[in-house]
Parts: sequence; structure tokens; C-alpha cells
Amino acid sequence: AQTVTQSQPEMSVQEAETVTLSCTYDTSESNYYLFWYKQPPSRQMILVIRQEAYKQQNATENRFSVNFQKAAKSFSLKISDSQLGDTAMYFCAFMIQGAQKLVFGQGTRLTINP
Amino acid sequence: SAVISQKPSRDICQRGTSLTIQCQVDSQVTMMFWYRQQPGQSLTLIATANQGSEATYESGFVIDKFPISRPNLTFSTLTVSNMSPEDSSIYLCSVEGRGRGWEETQYFGPGTRLLVL
Repeated sequence: AQTVTQSQPEMSVQEAETVTLSCTYDTSESNYYLFWYKQPPSRQMILVIRQEAYKQQNATENRFSVNFQKAAKSFSLKISDSQLGDTAMYFCAFMIQGAQKLVFGQGTRLTINP
Repeated sequence: SAVISQKPSRDICQRGTSLTIQCQVDSQVTMMFWYRQQPGQSLTLIATANQGSEATYESGFVIDKFPISRPNLTFSTLTVSNMSPEDSSIYLCSVEGRGRGWEETQYFGPGTRLLVL
């Protein structure tokens, strides 16, 4: 069975700082996708970034980027120039290609302080 | 991405009763999914709702407890039956993205917060 581990239950940084959230996963599959979702207090799950396992290039979306290390099964999220609106729970998720089932980590509560 | 709405947004129910949650999408989608998020926890897939066929349930979830309907390509319902306080959770529906580069990516509705007394 696939598992996703987020080792940081909570993190807190100052506005404008850079923060990195960790995620590791366990799978014997070679074709899969990895995602980061954000859940602010409004509870809406928002897709932040997506990475295909077959791509060596790390995905980026504006201030959000990932460090995908396939051999190490690591998928960290870097948030640059953090903003107050980045305060949220962040979930790392994994999906085997074609399986249509997302497996989520336990989440990291990120607080951006003014 | 599709615009997804859910009704109700929240509800407080008495144990032993049932609640039906609706999920509406603004475009036709093949796959719709239902997740549960228990308090302080992560999300767990309940079932996949297929149009024209029965839902596919994950281990630990059964049709008698969580019946699902999928009458067309834009709508699905999840019923939480014979509720107990342990069913207090946020229930979220999701759909698969469309368009090249976004296949196999799920987008979520706003969720339904359920409290069972």
C-alpha cells in the first residue's frame, strides 16, 4: 500500500520569508503523480502544484516550487516570499497513474506571521 | 478547472438520521469522488461515483452506510445513513480535471461540515 508522510505537523515563519515543507512517500510503482494541496480555514481544498513522476524537471507555479527526488521518494514544497494568505494546512498527496485514488499525508499547518 | 458546489455547506444532525449531500459541477465530468475528512485528520476516499453504474467503494466503506447516486455527468449525491457522532466530519466531493496536462488531477468542492449529536 502507498503511504505519504509529512513529518512537520506545524511550521511558522515571518512574512516574506521562504519556507520548505517536507513530504516523503512509499511506493513500488514507477508511474505516478504527486500533488500539494492547500486547505485554508475556509476548508476549501486548493491545488497548489502537480508533478508527474516521469518528469525530471521540478514543477513551479509562481512562488511555489517543488524539489522532487524520485530515488529518495521525497517531494518537498518551497514557498518563496511567503504571504499572509499562505496560512493554511498543506497536504501532500500521491496517486498511481490510472488509479484515480489520492492518498494524502497528515498535513502540515503553516502559519505566516506579519 | 471546473466550478464545484456542494449543498449543504454545513449541518447539525441527530444520531440515527440520514443526510444527503449534493455535489454539482458546471461542466460534464466522467469521474466524481467523495472524500471524508475527520476532525483534525487528513482526507480519505470513500468512493468513486460513476455515471450509469454503481459507485466503487474503498475498503472500510459500504453502500448501506454511504449510498451514492450519479444520475448524470454534472451531479452526484452522497447520503450518510443512520448517523452516529463518529460520522462528524467534512465531506468533500472532487472531480478529475480536463485538458492536456491536467488529466488525473482532482479538484475539490468547498466541502460539507457535518456535526452529529
